[in-house]
Amino acid sequence: GNSVTQMEGPVTLSEEAFLTINCTYTATGYPSLFWYVQYPGEGLQLLLKATKADDKGSNKGFEATYRKETTSFHLEKGSVQVSDSAVYFCALRLGTSGSRLTFGEGTQLTVNP
Amino acid sequence: DGGITQSPKYLFRKEGQNVTLSCEQNLNHDAMYWYRQDPGQGLRLIYYSQIVNDFQKGDIAEGYSVSREKKESFPLTVTSAQKNPTAFYLCASNGLSGDITDTQYFGPGTRLTVL
Repeated sequence: GNSVTQMEGPVTLSEEAFLTINCTYTATGYPSLFWYVQYPGEGLQLLLKATKADDKGSNKGFEATYRKETTSFHLEKGSVQVSDSAVYFCALRLGTSGSRLTFGEGTQLTVNP
Repeated sequence: DGGITQSPKYLFRKEGQNVTLSCEQNLNHDAMYWYRQDPGQGLRLIYYSQIVNDFQKGDIAEGYSVSREKKESFPLTVTSAQKNPTAFYLCASNGLSGDITDTQYFGPGTRLTVL
């Protein structure tokens, strides 16, 4: 079946540190890949996405590259801020827009001043 | 403002009672979804609907029921048969353009606590 595996959290960093959150997937076809962010007590917001191999999604200083050869979609940011503290979810979708999403377990990030 | 509304934000119920969570969207999306989120776990799909008057079970449908009488509304009922209903419930919606770049939008969630 289809699945997403994220690095275990929680992750704690100091402000301006480099962030990597690993995400690998297993899928029976060629999925679209997504990163969502959830701030405390809120719903999920789309952070970035990539729909084919070698695509790079980027938003708000975050980046992730769709790597088909390693079935990965790692999230990176060069310099984190306290306001980046949240839970980050990696997800995949097979097929077009009406298909369901499969989520990873989520990674809690805390950034200290 | 277009978006997804979930109400209430916090909900308390006594064991043995049914409770209905509201989800409304004004994005003109055809597809709507209900997820359950537990601490330290990802989102698990409860039910989804791609068209009015039709819906499908997700991975954890037991103890839940839904209806889709209107395009903009997809209420979820947590029945007394759900053994562990305390959780954070998220509603989402998606267009059905067939474009792989379409994304799913989420509501703010309802936190249900069973006393």
